[in-house]
Amino acid sequence: DSGVTQTPKHLITATGQRVTLRCSPRSGDLSVYWYQQSLDQGLQFLIQYYNGEERAKGNILERFSAQQFPDLHSELNLSSLELGDSALYFCASSGTGSNNEQFFGPGTRLTVL
Amino acid sequence: GDSVTQMEGPVTLSEEAFLTINCTYTATGYPSLFWYVQYPGEGLQLLLKATKADDKGSNKGFEATYRKETTSFHLEKGSVQVSDSAVYFCARRTTGFQKLVFGTGTRLLVSP
Repeated sequence: DSGVTQTPKHLITATGQRVTLRCSPRSGDLSVYWYQQSLDQGLQFLIQYYNGEERAKGNILERFSAQQFPDLHSELNLSSLELGDSALYFCASSGTGSNNEQFFGPGTRLTVL
Repeated sequence: GDSVTQMEGPVTLSEEAFLTINCTYTATGYPSLFWYVQYPGEGLQLLLKATKADDKGSNKGFEATYRKETTSFHLEKGSVQVSDSAVYFCARRTTGFQKLVFGTGTRLLVSP
């Protein structure tokens, strides 16, 4: 158990809908990262938050957004969903310092029908 | 840009066989290098890492050496077990940045 929790475990929805994925980092970790794992794109970095502020952005679509709350949990919002958004979405957290290890949650599997 | 290239899978081995999974990286910046493992239905776990040239990372019998001259970080294990069956990801992280750039992953299947 990495100490990072993600909910829900599975999510099935329809095209055009909006969903919210939730992540709770390990106790004391200030950084949260979101990654998308899909069959065609592999494992890609989406976005990083540090102590409530956006720190780095990767290949995140404009239809997607994220935030980190004062209690350090994070949410990834996916809107106007398309079939191609079906993927595993991982959250990871790390402590301060650029060399700190990232600990990954178990992921949320999103299926868009 | 930053990228990581891994050998295609699946890699199919018998128990106690020798394992090599190749990984090469782009040489931009001064990256730290990682191997992560993903067991079925689970998230990624850090297997080992190396932060500078000639460093050797090791864990649970797995090893990888940071080779700057060949821009490689190949994963090896002398004797695989059925329980090693998983997907292995090579990744890099550029110094000063925290995002991980992953390879495509290599599935390892070990049969008894």
